This record gives sequence, structure tokens and C-alpha cells, in this order.
Amino acid sequence: EDQVTQSPEALRLQEGESSSLNCSYTVSGLRGLFWYRQDPGKGPEFLFTLYSAGEEKEKERLKATLTKKESFLHITAPKPEDSATYLCAVFNQAGTALIFGKGTTLSVSS
Amino acid sequence: EPEVTQTPSHQVTQMGQEVILRCVPISNHLYFYWYRQILGQKVEFLVSFYNNEISEKSEIFDDQFSVERPDGSNFTLKIRSTKLEDSAMYFCASSSDSRSNQPQHFGDGTRLSIL
Repeated sequence: EDQVTQSPEALRLQEGESSSLNCSYTVSGLRGLFWYRQDPGKGPEFLFTLYSAGEEKEKERLKATLTKKESFLHITAPKPEDSATYLCAVFNQAGTALIFGKGTTLSVSS
Repeated sequence: EPEVTQTPSHQVTQMGQEVILRCVPISNHLYFYWYRQILGQKVEFLVSFYNNEISEKSEIFDDQFSVERPDGSNFTLKIRSTKLEDSAMYFCASSSDSRSNQPQHFGDGTRLSIL
């Protein structure tokens, strides 16, 4: 069964304290791994797509990396405005639906 | 930047009543999706839609659910006879292509509350 597991469930950081979020997945033939940001009461906002092991994508203080079994979202010197829930998702085998993890809720305090 | 818009933002309905959730996907997108998120749980796939047909549906998407693209801009989700367990956030998404290099873009959702 295709699955996505994210850890930790919640993460509290001080402003400027770098850390990483983990997403492990089981799917036959990865067709794409996606990172989204979700603010309270809002829909998921697309951040990155990764396709193959070794690939990296960056956007401001965020960098996403991919291995054959997991992906990491590295947050460098976070700011309070980075506080959100970060969702990881993969395409199902048919490539027609996204399978989401439960997310990691990040809180950054100043 | 183009976005997916959903209406209403909050819908309160009596159990057993029909409800229609509306979405306007991004204008040049061809693939449309509905997902739901029960409070505190994962975002779950309901249905995908392309070329006026359902491409795939999940086990959640039973006979009580239907989707329609009534005109060139709207995409709707209908629940015929709502149950308490249908209470959730419902998200519409669209993409320009079903291939993985084209991400799905989500609206801000409709919060459905069944009384």
C-alpha cells in the first residue's frame, strides 16, 4: 500500500535555529514527491516537486532533498513567518491522485 | 498569480440534505480534483476529473457523491444526502497536466459542517 509518513508531528524552533523535517514514503515507481505549506484555515500551497534520488530544490530558507526512501525539508535560519504545517505528498501508482502525509506543524518563535 | 477559488468558504447543512460545493479552477488547467481533510487528519483524495469524465475515485467517493463541470469555468462536488461524518474541509485542486511535473494547485477550501 502506498504510504507517506512525516516526522516529527510538531516542531518548535527559535528564530534562526535551523532544522529538518522528514518524509518517508513507500510507493512503487515514484512519479513525483511534493512539498506543500498549509496555513491555518487555508489550502495547501505548492512549494517543490522532486523526481529522482539526489535531486535538490531551494526556495528562500527552504531546501528539499530526495533519496530513494525519504525526503527532507531543511529550514535554514527560520523566521516566525515560516510557521505553518508542511505537507509531503506522492503520486499514487497510477499518477492520478496525491497521497498526503499528516504533516509537520512548525512553530518559530522570535 | 492565478488561483483556484472555492465557494462558499463555510457551509452548514442539516444531515440528510443535499449540498453542492463550487470551485473555479485555474483557467488553462485541464485536470480537476477534490480532496477532503477531516479535522486533525490527513488530506485524502476523493476524485479526479478530466475531459468531462471521472479519471479515478477513491473508496470514499461512493454513490452519494458526484462531480460535474456544468460550464467552462466551474467544477462542482455534490453530496446527495449528507451524513455527520461528511463534516470536513473540502479542497478543490487543478493542474495543467496529469504528469508529475505539473503540480496540483489547491483552493482554500470549503468547511462543511453537518448538524
